[in-house]
Amino acid sequence: NAGVTQTPKFQVLKTGQSMTLQCAQDMNHEYMSWYRQDPGMGLRLIHYSVGAGITDQGEVPNGYNVSRSTTEDFPLRLLSAAPSQTSVYFCASTTRGAGAHTQYFGPGTRLTVL
Amino acid sequence: SQQGEEDPQALSIQEGENATMNCSYKTSINNLQWYRQNSGRGLVHLILIRSNEREKHSGRLRVTLDTSKKSSSLLITASRAADTASYFCATDAGGGGFKTIFGAGTRLFVKA
Repeated sequence: NAGVTQTPKFQVLKTGQSMTLQCAQDMNHEYMSWYRQDPGMGLRLIHYSVGAGITDQGEVPNGYNVSRSTTEDFPLRLLSAAPSQTSVYFCASTTRGAGAHTQYFGPGTRLTVL
Repeated sequence: SQQGEEDPQALSIQEGENATMNCSYKTSINNLQWYRQNSGRGLVHLILIRSNEREKHSGRLRVTLDTSKKSSSLLITASRAADTASYFCATDAGGGGFKTIFGAGTRLFVKA
């Protein structure tokens, strides 16, 4: 069981470039989320998905797109990177059970936008 | 805006002492969770307490929840240098939806 995997671990972009952060989980979890973490702050929810084909916006969705074509994968796309998107990005997947959502996190992608 | 607010923002203690961190939140919740993050790593789930529970234990961890005050506390007893990390509370809002909202965290430093 690999759990939640994220690629790449590090990425440097120039302003205006686009890229996709990959996230995959092998635990058959229905729920998946993307968060960003800025220095000294907690995690802010970008987008989440409650199942294949279903996505919704979190607290800070602007500038990001997601899709969920399979249960396992939940990629995050930056459409036109901006310096304000410099952050560490975490993907998480979640068990579903009696209203309790224990999240399993990937190791993160550290993104710098110049 | 963030749902959970941890207090203090940073805490430095000696090995063997107890560490207490507090979390306040704004809206009604289904449950509250505590996570730990070691530097440069992803978050690791520590403990979950449901809205109808008042106290929960797991090893050296003790969590309390006071829904009337919309607050929770995490106590780590007999702390170790390996407990040095950031600790976050996270809340699942009611209404059957799925949105876990994290606080800004408490940075704990345990001196050997």
